[in-house]
Amino acid sequence: AQKITQTQPGMFVQEKEAVTLDCTYDTSDPSYGLFWYKQPSSGEMIFLIYQGSYDQQNATEGRYSLNFQKARKSANLVISASQLGDSAMYFCAMRGDSNYQLIWGAGTKLIIKP
Amino acid sequence: KAGVTQTPRYLIKTRGQQVTLSCSPISGHRSVSWYQQTPGQGLQFLFEYFSETQRNKGNFPGRFSGRQFSNSRSEMNVSTLELGDSALYLCASSWRGSEGSYEQYFGPGTRLTVT
Repeated sequence: AQKITQTQPGMFVQEKEAVTLDCTYDTSDPSYGLFWYKQPSSGEMIFLIYQGSYDQQNATEGRYSLNFQKARKSANLVISASQLGDSAMYFCAMRGDSNYQLIWGAGTKLIIKP
Repeated sequence: KAGVTQTPRYLIKTRGQQVTLSCSPISGHRSVSWYQQTPGQGLQFLFEYFSETQRNKGNFPGRFSGRQFSNSRSEMNVSTLELGDSALYLCASSWRGSEGSYEQYFGPGTRLTVT
């Protein structure tokens, strides 16, 4: 069975600091994809970044990067130079080849302090 | 390009009633997925439609059903509403290519309250 674990229910970070949100996963699929989404208080889920299991390099999208460690089955999200607008819930999700639904973690509530 | 739209945004219903939620995907996207989000259970997959066919289904009772039209718009129906159906219902669309990333783009959600 596939599973996503986010061990940090909440985090407080000072503005302009970098922040790492943890995500570990479990799957028996040889090929899979890992996603990070941001959900502000408005409720809309915003796609941030994607990492394929066979990608050689860690994915980056602007201030977001994904620290992918396949052997450890971890896919941590790194946000550089955090901003007040980064305050939101962050979800890690996985899609395997055995089915196409996204499996979600419980989320991490990130609060950026001015 | 217009994003995913969901209607209505908010809904209040009484136990035992039924409800229909609508989702219009991004133009060109053929896959529509539905999720239920509650504080207790988190995000749970309901079902996915692709080219008018249900391709995946989550672990929800038969009271939850859906369909997709030829223009890729999708509707989700919940019959005989229960208090526990109160949730944010999110719709997501994707191009659903055969390989690589096919990230899902979400709509703003429909917040359903059952009283």
